[in-house]
Parts: sequence; C-alpha cells; structure tokens
Amino acid sequence: KAGVTQTPRYLIKTRGQQVTLSCSPISGHRSVSWYQQTPGQGLQFLFEYFSETQRNKGNFPGRFSGRQFSNSRSEMNVSTLELGDSALYLCASSLEGGGPRATDTQYFGPGTRLTVL
Amino acid sequence: GQNIDQPTEMTATEGAIVQINCTYQTSGFNGLFWYQQHAGEAPTFLSYNVLDGLEEKGRFSSFLSRSKGYSYLLLKELQMKDSASYLCAVREPGRRALTFGSGTRLQVQP
Repeated sequence: KAGVTQTPRYLIKTRGQQVTLSCSPISGHRSVSWYQQTPGQGLQFLFEYFSETQRNKGNFPGRFSGRQFSNSRSEMNVSTLELGDSALYLCASSLEGGGPRATDTQYFGPGTRLTVL
Repeated sequence: GQNIDQPTEMTATEGAIVQINCTYQTSGFNGLFWYQQHAGEAPTFLSYNVLDGLEEKGRFSSFLSRSKGYSYLLLKELQMKDSASYLCAVREPGRRALTFGSGTRLQVQP
C-alpha cells in the first residue's frame, strides 16, 4: 500500500506570493492533518480534515487555509507569504472507524519544504 | 493549555540503552505517541500508549503513567542508525491531530 504523498517536495517563493500544497493520504484513510515544522517551533498543528470538513484548527493566521476533497486528498494554501513561513509542511493521514481499540495512528508524508525569499 | 516537555539533546554509546523522558500537561488525553525523525525526513511512527504500563516492540519500548503525565521511550542495543530526533506527542479527545513536544535529538557514538 502506498504511503502518504505530498507535492511538490520543494518550493521557492517570494514574499507576498501565495502557494498551494497537495497531500494524498494512504488509500482508505479519511482523516488528514497538516503540520508546520521549523527549527525554532518544532512541529505545530495547522488543521485537521475529515470527510471534507475541517474538524480542528491550530493557532495560525487566516492566511493559512485548507480543504479536503471527496477522495480524501487535501490541499493547503498560504496567501501573502512571509519570510517566517519558510518551513517543512507535513501532511499526515489516519484511518478512522477502526473500532474502539484502533489507534488511528497518524502516518506522515515526506513533506514540502517551502522557502520564502 | 498544552505543554509537552522532553530533553533537547542526549548522547549515548553504541550497544547501550537510553531512556528518553516526556512529561505532558494537556487539557485531555487520548493516547501518547512516539515518533522517530531522521534529519531531513518525515517522522515515522514508533509506539503508542493509551493505558498505563509498558509496550514493547523489538528494541524499542514505551512506558506511560497517566496519573503522573509521564512517558518514556527506551531504546536497547543502540545502533548508529538510531541517531535521530525522537518526538513525543499527545492526542486529545475528539481529534486525530497530535500535539508534539519539541523533540529529543539523540546522538549515538561509537
């Protein structure tokens, strides 16, 4: 079974631009979460989607948005990029509905490394 | 509030045993996870605890005490490839997303 895939893997943008990142979860996984990882802040939660609905959101400004499609694929968008948005953006998927003993472990994709100049 | 604490860095010798501690204070608890992350790579799942006690998986074991808000990851028979960051993460009720600690960078020396 293929793992979580993310595209693109690397991206260079300039301040003020906007960017869209894509994530395809493991087949059968319906929950997708996004994280931002920086050396100073570590892994921080951005948002979580399930069945095309945003279920939870982290403490990020409104410039960060996302969505999930009917096939569980997800995209996140960052508008008006700032230098501080340079980070590794990680997507993770998990299986829902596995029963009361299911761990619903999150499995991570390779990430998109975004550099803002 | 949410607070997850881990040591920043640890050093150990090849073949030895190392214990990485994690303490947490979260508004709710629905499981604790450990992930391994090599430099430049994505985190990979190591272990999961939701009940008190020890979970063993090969060279890796993880322990949880919910009453103390404490967990540890035990790595036995250390190998050079175990040099990586180890991330402790807590899941709160009603969500699948995790709250991560800042990670412990483990350096295994010959």
